[in-house]
Amino acid sequence: AQKITQTQPGMFVQEKEAVTLDCTYDTSDQSYGLFWYKQPSSGEMIFLIYQGSYDEQNATEGRYSLNFQKARKSANLVISASQLGDSAMYFCAIRGRNRDDKIIFGKGTRLHILP
Amino acid sequence: NAGVTQTPKFRVLKTGQSMTLLCAQDMNHEYMYWYRQDPGMGLRLIHYSVGEGTTAKGEVPDGYNVSRLKKQNFLLGLESAAPSQTSVYFCASSYRWGTEAFFGQGTRLTVV
Repeated sequence: AQKITQTQPGMFVQEKEAVTLDCTYDTSDQSYGLFWYKQPSSGEMIFLIYQGSYDEQNATEGRYSLNFQKARKSANLVISASQLGDSAMYFCAIRGRNRDDKIIFGKGTRLHILP
Repeated sequence: NAGVTQTPKFRVLKTGQSMTLLCAQDMNHEYMYWYRQDPGMGLRLIHYSVGEGTTAKGEVPDGYNVSRLKKQNFLLGLESAAPSQTSVYFCASSYRWGTEAFFGQGTRLTVV
């Protein structure tokens, strides 16, 4: 079974500062993938970034990067130079590599960017 | 390019009524998922499918049934709705392992 833990229910960050959203996971699979999604107040789910367990480098997508520490089973999302539009709910998710593996989400972190 | 489309977007049911939520994707994805989102609980997987004609239970399957008769459609049924099923329901699909899931816009269901 797979599990995602996001320990920060809410965060307040000053605009233009960098922010790190924590995500730890538990899995018995050797191969797996980790995802981050953003959910703004409008409700849609927006894919941000993906990290495979065997990827040698940390994933980056524009202002988003994933601090992947496999031994510690953590996959923190780093947002550089935060903007007001980054205020949203952020979800971490995990997916195993077996054919019947599902995508399991954490409870999310609500991020507030302060002007 | 529609992506993942959920029908309906809003619905109010009375306790004991039944209904079916439809999810349609036009990306030829193998995998499809139904989640429910409740405050403080994140997204919880109800049922999912790894291909046409297959379904499997997720984290919170009780009270729901699903069918995947066609590859592009994934139906979520509530046979006898209960107030505890008041939630926002999301459908998602993905091509294969290692790729992200694409989400529908959500269905807000209220059971009174």
